[in-house]
Amino acid sequence: DADVTQTPRNRITKTGKRIMLECSQTKGHDRMYWYRQDPGLGLRLIYYSFDVKDINKGEISDGYSVSRQAQAKFSLSLESAIPNQTALYFCATSDRGALNNQPQHFGDGTRLSIL
Amino acid sequence: AQKVTQAQTEISVVEKEDVTLDCVYETRDTTYYLFWYKQPPSGELVFLIRRNSFDEQNEISGRYSWNFQKSTSSFNFTITASQVVDSAVYFCALSRVSGNQFYFGTGTSLTVIP
Repeated sequence: DADVTQTPRNRITKTGKRIMLECSQTKGHDRMYWYRQDPGLGLRLIYYSFDVKDINKGEISDGYSVSRQAQAKFSLSLESAIPNQTALYFCATSDRGALNNQPQHFGDGTRLSIL
Repeated sequence: AQKVTQAQTEISVVEKEDVTLDCVYETRDTTYYLFWYKQPPSGELVFLIRRNSFDEQNEISGRYSWNFQKSTSSFNFTITASQVVDSAVYFCALSRVSGNQFYFGTGTSLTVIP
């Protein structure tokens, strides 16, 4: 079983719909992240959470919200989806570490298409 | 501000050739961390290497090697005797000590032609 699991893997929906992408991890990591990947733009950070009561905006948080339901779960919501939110979304986790130098471990991604 | 630049958008090489993927970064931090990830056609992101800013030793792992030069703010990745399985998008990333946020480059798509 994957250590970082994203559901769904693929989703096609219509403009204006509310969408939730879920991420769960079995790695026991404190830190979780949501990124989106667009061609030619690499990965951009949407939100991140260093523990259950900690939520922080990333580079491109507008139009998104998150919920850290438990240490192992971090969900991303699009309140009213729009076509330019079509992208590949990744969840990642990392251990706290002594020097904040831990690698991030990624899920397999969710391909979201908004028509 | 932190920035990672991967100027090579796409590279094609013939199998068994060596190839170097460039990564240049910007940061005012004195301590930071650099990473390389591989994204094969299946889409997942695979961690390859982490390098601390105070350790400029080059690293070799099989056919992979990394050249970290603080003087030029570069962390280049070389694949020796490339194979078709090396075909992927490769991302360079920088992480700050003050938080584990990653700043990714835009990636280099490598195609190894048999």
